Amino acid sequence: GAGVSQSPSNKVTEKGKDVELRCDPISGHTALYWYRQRLGQGLEFLIYFQGNSAPDKSGLPSDRFSAERTGESVSTLTIQRTQQEDSAVYLCASSLIGGSTDTQYFGPGTRLTVL
Amino acid sequence: SQQGEEDPQALSIQEGENATMNCSYKTSINNLQWYRQNSGRGLVHLILIRSNEREKHSGRLRVTLDTSKKSSSLLITASRAADTASYFCATDGSSGYALNFGKGTSLLVTP
Repeated sequence: GAGVSQSPSNKVTEKGKDVELRCDPISGHTALYWYRQRLGQGLEFLIYFQGNSAPDKSGLPSDRFSAERTGESVSTLTIQRTQQEDSAVYLCASSLIGGSTDTQYFGPGTRLTVL
Repeated sequence: SQQGEEDPQALSIQEGENATMNCSYKTSINNLQWYRQNSGRGLVHLILIRSNEREKHSGRLRVTLDTSKKSSSLLITASRAADTASYFCATDGSSGYALNFGKGTSLLVTP
């Protein structure tokens, strides 16, 4: 079946503009994760959705970042008033039930460049 | 926050040689995972080792875990050019689901 997909694959925007990144998880996966990867760095956890539970937003770096998920399907990550330090690859992952032993399947990422 | 730290940062070997990457972490874990990333994009899960396991194999991959030293190693035997990628270790955090990644080891395998 299809893996995790993300769109757009690349996004170039001007400082101060809002951007919306989309993630389509694997069908049937109840858990969804967003991570950010700055150049040459590891992944930073941003937010976690699991079923109908309240999301864990503890990794969001500022109130300019928000994310939503519709049921157990599509998720969107929104960055308002983008800054140059927001430039990074934003990776989405999904897993069957959540939990640290559950394999996370990653999408190809969205490379965001803020000019 | 990043917990795992991979060593070396970069490794260059020839095809057929073995590649060894190490990972150290700071706090206690339930499990540790290794991922591969090609061209700075999506990650592929390689192997998971639980805290009560000391060694695990998967094809040409061998992972060891030493919880007393808070370290793990990934060995790729008989490397191929297609193994060229960045390799990350990830530990489970206090949340029980979010993974803590290191900065990765960049492996280059030349023909």
